[in-house]
Amino acid sequence: DAKTTQPNSMESNEEEPVHLPCNHSTISGTDYIHWYRQLPSQGPEYVIHGLTSNVNNRMASLAIAEDRKSSTLILHRATLRDAAVYYCILRDVRGAQKLVFGQGTRLTINP
Amino acid sequence: DSGVTQTPKHLITATGQRVTLRCSPRSGDLSVYWYQQSLDQGLQFLIQYYNGEERAKGNILERFSAQQFPDLHSELNLSSLELGDSALYFCASSVAVGATNEKLFFGSGTQLSVL
Repeated sequence: DAKTTQPNSMESNEEEPVHLPCNHSTISGTDYIHWYRQLPSQGPEYVIHGLTSNVNNRMASLAIAEDRKSSTLILHRATLRDAAVYYCILRDVRGAQKLVFGQGTRLTINP
Repeated sequence: DSGVTQTPKHLITATGQRVTLRCSPRSGDLSVYWYQQSLDQGLQFLIQYYNGEERAKGNILERFSAQQFPDLHSELNLSSLELGDSALYFCASSVAVGATNEKLFFGSGTQLSVL
């Protein structure tokens, strides 16, 4: 599985936008970019995914670089409930369908 | 609520013992995945089943085994337990297998403590 690189931790303030970066320089053309997050004492939950185009949903936006070697998860207005570990994962259509989690980014939201 | 049910929520046992963790996937989901989360290893993929058949294997120890039953629930069996097996064990489910854009839904986990 192709690897991703994320900062270990980030901090932001409540009601401000948060940009969580992810580098995936070895991404292949068939890899989807998935983001999951894990709130304290809970299982991971799906946030968003994309292939080439930017994506928006009710939780977040995903901005994908033109060369696909990096992406950014955007939380438009962070709340305290968004404090979690965020995982950027590549999923290959040719391989098994498991998700391979890295260390993720621990996001702290200050009130 | 993800719709994935894991039981028990907590399990305390001794070294050398055997335990069974149970997972009921979301209604309609055919794929079940097991993950182990420990402080030093993060989330590690163990094994995946699809409609009763094993589909992928990760870093699962030989002392561990799993199966998926005809009603699609799954059990993870851990035997000859060691202190290092203490971890959170998550089950996840998805509708099918083969679509890289499909989402996984995770349960709230079983916290295993081996004393």
